[in-house]
Amino acid sequence: AQSVTQLDSQVPVFEEAPVELRCNYSSSVSVYLFWYVQYPNQGLQLLLKYLSGSTLVKGINGFEAEFNKSQTSFHLRKPSVHISDTAEYFCAVSEVTGNQFYFGTGTSLTVIP
Amino acid sequence: KAGVTQTPRYLIKTRGQQVTLSCSPISGHRSVSWYQQTPGQGLQFLFEYFSETQRNKGNFPGRFSGRQFSNSRSEMNVSTLELGDSALYLCASSVGGLTSYEQYFGPGTRLTVT
Repeated sequence: AQSVTQLDSQVPVFEEAPVELRCNYSSSVSVYLFWYVQYPNQGLQLLLKYLSGSTLVKGINGFEAEFNKSQTSFHLRKPSVHISDTAEYFCAVSEVTGNQFYFGTGTSLTVIP
Repeated sequence: KAGVTQTPRYLIKTRGQQVTLSCSPISGHRSVSWYQQTPGQGLQFLFEYFSETQRNKGNFPGRFSGRQFSNSRSEMNVSTLELGDSALYLCASSVGGLTSYEQYFGPGTRLTVT
């Protein structure tokens, strides 16, 4: 079975500073990769996804992520965060030939004014 | 286009009871997946339905079951509730299969078991 590790459970960052949320997965097969955001009392919203092609993926709200196959990582970045980015962020993986979605335990991003 | 809706939004049940949660996917979406979200375990996949058939299943006991109707609406049932079943239950719909397609999530049903 797949496992997805989000290395930081909580990340505080000052407004307008850059941020990186880390995600590593365990798999020896081809995978699809996703980042979701969850605001309080809401469901999950897709930020971006990697299916194939360019390893640098751009998503909504100025976020981007880079797929690194050799390091089995898919870190999420934003060059300048806003207060409104305060939320829970989830990394998810599914095998290309598989049939199940695996989520990490989440990273709570808090943007400090 | 209306989003994924889940009813009810909040539920309080006692141990031993059973509960049914409902999910209405986005119009045109044929796949519905269910997840359990808890602070300790994060998001865990329960099962996925596609065209009224359970296509994928996570590692949950048989007390957790579901079904999908011809209009793609889905229900999830939990029997003989345990305290550990307290969680946010999320439903997600997508156009087709589980992988590669974007999943659209509902707001969730908060279940509290006392």
